[in-house]
Amino acid sequence: DQQVKQNSPSLSVQEGRISILNCDYTNSMFDYFLWYKKYPAEGPTFLISISSIKDKNEDGRFTVFLNKSAKHLSLHIVPSQPGDSAVYFCAAKKETSGSRLTFGEGTQLTVNP
Amino acid sequence: DAMVIQNPRYQVTQFGKPVTLSCSQTLNHNVMYWYQQKSSQAPKLLFHYYDKDFNNEADTPDNFQSRRPNTSFCFLDIRSPGLGDAAMYLCATSKIRGNQPQHFGDGTRLSIL
Repeated sequence: DQQVKQNSPSLSVQEGRISILNCDYTNSMFDYFLWYKKYPAEGPTFLISISSIKDKNEDGRFTVFLNKSAKHLSLHIVPSQPGDSAVYFCAAKKETSGSRLTFGEGTQLTVNP
Repeated sequence: DAMVIQNPRYQVTQFGKPVTLSCSQTLNHNVMYWYQQKSSQAPKLLFHYYDKDFNNEADTPDNFQSRRPNTSFCFLDIRSPGLGDAAMYLCATSKIRGNQPQHFGDGTRLSIL
């Protein structure tokens, strides 16, 4: 049972444009969400997070939006840069589960010069 | 730099031959995690340690064991690897339970002959 889903395995955008990566979840008990970025041959690195009490969190070029009623979150990158090309993982956790994360399958973002 | 280090980066073992993967951290984090990631799938949590307190996931096979002899080191032992155990194994740490992002190592790619 995949509780966190990233339905787009890949996304290709032009440098300078906006990248929008989407993530859906099924468990309404999730109360904290994170995005990780992974380059080839490296481990995932933390990018940005959002608590369920918020609907938006921004950090530089990265903004995460949370729509609790739709059980949907998205990561916006603007402007996109070629160095943003990586696999992006969405992850979610429940307060009652300590720090256990449930990950999505990842979306490969390619930013073309 | 403080970090999470996994050794080896690539491991080849024979079907049924025990293998041990290693993780060390210089972050002095209380929590250490082991994930299994198969190609194009989400990382799946196998177990984690909160200090010396071992927490196994319900669906982690008995074939997988872990040891944490001290704060800095954590080992993943696969007692009798099968072909289905070929995967990337990721170690991660976090400071405490709760909304602290996990810091990942670069992983060990395990192949089974």
